[in-house]
Amino acid sequence: QSVLTQPPSVSEAPRQRVTISCSGSSSNIGNNAVNWYQQLPGKAPKLLIYYDDLLPSGVSDRFSGSKSGTSASLAISGLQSEDEADYYCAAWDDRLNGNWVFGGGTKLTVL
Amino acid sequence: QVQLVQSGAEVKKPGASVKVSCKASGYTFTSYDINWVRQATGQGLEWMGWMNPNSGNTGYAQKFQGRVTMTRNTSISTAYMELSSLRSEDTAVYYCARGDPRAAFDIWGQGTMVTVSS
Repeated sequence: QSVLTQPPSVSEAPRQRVTISCSGSSSNIGNNAVNWYQQLPGKAPKLLIYYDDLLPSGVSDRFSGSKSGTSASLAISGLQSEDEADYYCAAWDDRLNGNWVFGGGTKLTVL
Repeated sequence: QVQLVQSGAEVKKPGASVKVSCKASGYTFTSYDINWVRQATGQGLEWMGWMNPNSGNTGYAQKFQGRVTMTRNTSISTAYMELSSLRSEDTAVYYCARGDPRAAFDIWGQGTMVTVSS
């Protein structure tokens, strides 16, 4: 059971827009930045969004992030087949001595 | 280019230990923390801990306290993660990832498959 809650799967048609939610608590998302990672099949994760809504160099601006309170969202517009992947949210959690927590991951299917 | 290259796959028996290496190149090794994250087959990502290559300071997830040790050799820009008392549930791909304290993991290694089987 993951500390951050994501839907297990989402699906949408090509060229459409999809959002993936990530729900946490005051000790993690509510008090710290959220990062998003994309994991293509058989590959290592890749940083997609950092500090809630910033794009690393080289990441398409079809990806965007937002946060409100203890929840965050990843939006992907203009869906393409190559966007089919697992997406994970992550945040630092202040409990105990502090640790990184991840969502359980969301499998995106482009129909 | 900036990259982390990990050691190859390992097969271990229950109760044994495994040591995975992560060699950094393309940047100053001592300027960024190294984190370790694992992923069992078909499962999500699980953070194990961090190490500051400059000071050697470490922080481990409570789940792995007492079983994991993170070290480094700055002369060869390499970080290590050793996990002891292995059990079948430790079968997973282990990743190293670069990141500043409480900041995102911007560079990941390719992963090392560790299989624990009798």
